[in-house]
Amino acid sequence: GAVVSQHPSRVICKSGTSVKIECRSLDFQATTMFWYRQFPKQSLMLMATSNEGSKATYEQGVEKDKFLINHASLTLSTLTVTSAHPEDSSFYICSARPLLQLYEQYFGPGTRLTVT
Amino acid sequence: AQSVTQLDSQVPVFEEAPVELRCNYSSSVSVYLFWYVQYPNQGLQLLLKYLSGSTLVKGINGFEAEFNKSQTSFHLRKPSVHISDTAEYFCAVSQGAQKLVFGQGTRLTINP
Repeated sequence: GAVVSQHPSRVICKSGTSVKIECRSLDFQATTMFWYRQFPKQSLMLMATSNEGSKATYEQGVEKDKFLINHASLTLSTLTVTSAHPEDSSFYICSARPLLQLYEQYFGPGTRLTVT
Repeated sequence: AQSVTQLDSQVPVFEEAPVELRCNYSSSVSVYLFWYVQYPNQGLQLLLKYLSGSTLVKGINGFEAEFNKSQTSFHLRKPSVHISDTAEYFCAVSQGAQKLVFGQGTRLTINP
């Protein structure tokens, strides 16, 4: 149980285009999902927290107009990187917190984004 | 603000040897502590967590950790490692249901 999927696992896009990453909780409902970014050989940095049906809360320094987050249902959150640039190339990981489990987060397998 | 320090960026050990990965945190309030493992190009898998109760926490894959409030530490241990334990290990802390704050990670390399 408690499986989180991400799609796609890898994506290559051209500079200036937008790319959408999906995060799904497969066997549980999640009111809260988190989006992280991880650079090579570094730790995870929280980008934003999304709650179902409301606006995401972005961490300081994260451009909300560039990283659009939508959490339209209890099992799906999406991250759209708009007007991508090479410096946006990174490993993006989502996690989902099940209903009534305040302290748990289950992580997705990550999405490798490469912007050329 | 909370912070987490993993004192070793890399830890090489021989197979079947014991290992300890160190983690210290700073927080002025009660916290919840976690250890995650990350294999290459994968997400994070929870090894164990401390929420309350016994300070010695047992997790998956033979790992355990001890919460030491006076030393603000939550070191991870395994008595005998296997080649398959080679991975990146992250310590994390949260206050209640708040966000997780991760340490910098420790790369554990098991040599035959």
